[in-house]
Amino acid sequence: EAAVTQSPRNKVTVTGGNVTLSCRQTNSHNYMYWYRQDTGHGLRLIHYSYGAGNLQIGDVPDGYKATRTTQEDFFLLLELASPSQTSLYFCASSPDWGGNTLYFGAGTRLSVL
Amino acid sequence: GQQVKQSSPSLTVQEGGISILNCDYENDMFDYFAWYKKYPDNSPTLLISVRSNVDKREDGRLTVFLNKSGKHFSLHITASQPEDTAVYLCAARISSSFSKLVFGQGTSLSVVP
Repeated sequence: EAAVTQSPRNKVTVTGGNVTLSCRQTNSHNYMYWYRQDTGHGLRLIHYSYGAGNLQIGDVPDGYKATRTTQEDFFLLLELASPSQTSLYFCASSPDWGGNTLYFGAGTRLSVL
Repeated sequence: GQQVKQSSPSLTVQEGGISILNCDYENDMFDYFAWYKKYPDNSPTLLISVRSNVDKREDGRLTVFLNKSGKHFSLHITASQPEDTAVYLCAARISSSFSKLVFGQGTSLSVVP
């Protein structure tokens, strides 16, 4: 089974702070995704990537940057965090393009005060 | 707009009964449909999926029904158990292109004794 590891699991920052969320997958999947989960909205796609150096814009990208440094590692960057970015963030990977089966990490709970 | 919609945020079912979770979609190009299950403080995991060339797929206590003309699909869980208590997320995408998996808002299912 795919292993997707997110760090940190919990993070608290202040408005205007700089936050990096990390995701590593060890199953040689090409495709990686960052989602946020909020009550009433389900999972919303922020950014995704189909390989090292590639970045695709998702449905709610404002305020977020992302970088895929290797096949294994995908980072989500909040350079000026705002309270509206308080959320539960999930990273996912998939072996096939388009993400028919997504394997999710355990999530990172971010609070922006 | 919301491309994939779960209109019921919550559902309570008696233990042993049938749980019916519903999902409506807007894009008639969608041809892949899935249900993910999420326990609190855990990551979503794929439960069952179907492609648009079938109207129904069974897997143990789970059955997915697909109504393409009505742009609707549902998940039926027979003999519901307390361990079925979770959030259920429906999702859909166009499998023939590099397109995103779009999730619904989720339905919280509670199975009570």
